[in-house]
Amino acid sequence: DAGVIQSPRHEVTEMGQEVTLRCKPISGHNSLFWYRQTMMRGLELLIYFNNNVPIDDSGMPEDRFSAKMPNASFSTLKIQPSEPRDSAVYFCASSPRVGNYGYTFGSGTRLTVV
Amino acid sequence: AQSVTQLDSQVPVFEEAPVELRCNYSSSVSVYLFWYVQYPNQGLQLLLKYLSGSTLVKGINGFEAEFNKSQTSFHLRKPSVHISDTAEYFCAVSANSGYSTLTFGKGTMLLVSP
Repeated sequence: DAGVIQSPRHEVTEMGQEVTLRCKPISGHNSLFWYRQTMMRGLELLIYFNNNVPIDDSGMPEDRFSAKMPNASFSTLKIQPSEPRDSAVYFCASSPRVGNYGYTFGSGTRLTVV
Repeated sequence: AQSVTQLDSQVPVFEEAPVELRCNYSSSVSVYLFWYVQYPNQGLQLLLKYLSGSTLVKGINGFEAEFNKSQTSFHLRKPSVHISDTAEYFCAVSANSGYSTLTFGKGTMLLVSP
């Protein structure tokens, strides 16, 4: 199994631009999670899906952030417009089911907004 | 809701010495507990997990952790560390019910020197 695949690994963009982060979960995993990691706040859960349905998006910081999971093998996290304070490492993780098992994380996308 | 406190942000230790990384959690319900490791520029990797049963849990790379319900702790230990153990270690908690997700601590940086 290739694990959780995220793209791109690095993204540098200018303030105001739209940014799209992509994630392919492990096949057969029913739950998908988007986390953001910063020095100040550590790892924060942004949103999670179960069977492609968003369950809790209370961690999404603002309306500028949106996430979709059109099918079991693909999810996107979009920021529009991006701001410098969005600079962070964004991780996608998947799990066989929510809560009861450890997650498998992707390698992350390091986003820099200048 | 659950919360995790990792008492040390950084732990320096010499190679071949024992180490303990401390983790305390707070929850009003039963929990599952996890330790993850993050090497530089990589995603998080599951070290070990406590779901039920024996309170002493063994993980990969010679690490183990002990669940202490009365002290609400889940400290991570290794009897003899290697240079390659230098990484950031995250304790995480999940409620043992429903659509629960992982809540992470701020992390402890383990620095192993020769």
